Amino acid sequence: SAVISQKPSRDICQRGTSLTIQCQVDSQVTMMFWYRQQPGQSLTLIATANQGSEATYESGFVIDKFPISRPNLTFSTLTVSNMSPEDSSIYLCSAEGRFTDTQYFGPGTRLTVL
Amino acid sequence: DAKTTQPPSMDCAEGRAANLPCNHSTISGNEYVYWYRQIHSQGPQYIIHGLKNNETNEMASLIITEDRKSSTLILPHATLRDTAVYYCIVGSLKKTSYDKVIFGPGTSLSVIP
Repeated sequence: SAVISQKPSRDICQRGTSLTIQCQVDSQVTMMFWYRQQPGQSLTLIATANQGSEATYESGFVIDKFPISRPNLTFSTLTVSNMSPEDSSIYLCSAEGRFTDTQYFGPGTRLTVL
Repeated sequence: DAKTTQPPSMDCAEGRAANLPCNHSTISGNEYVYWYRQIHSQGPQYIIHGLKNNETNEMASLIITEDRKSSTLILPHATLRDTAVYYCIVGSLKKTSYDKVIFGPGTSLSVIP
């Protein structure tokens, strides 16, 4: 299985600011993803982070609000831009298992926007 | 929309088997059934997956009906640490035929002492 870490684990931010979340995988993976989990809700896929090219966003999510980078096969960042209280959520990174047909998830970043 | 339906909540006595059902009547031939669980304030944890045959690992067993329209996750001896939200997901996470994963609301399992 892939071991995934995220930084920060949690943060409290002011309205109008931006936060960048880092995701590190302990081995090279083909696909990396970013999810959002709003309070009391299930997970929603934000985008697929593509290595060396622009991320692929799901309906309802745009690059200006959630810019994503993936400079190599083990690292990705998600930025939550111009935050509002509605962005308060847990943001989760996941990666495809290198030798299995499934995804593994990081511990999540709990974001609170005041 | 999620391709699966699960009961919103279930209780199970500690030490007993927990049987979590999932309906996926629109599953297609190349789609797998995956189970994850999410313990409060943690990231989802992979449990097991299968295509047609029943599967077993150190965590659980997965029973898939012959027509593949439903499945059951079995935790053979539930403990208090198994209290979590369990997600049944249908799709393809293979490298060569990736299909995005859609999480439904899942089943909130409470293991009772």
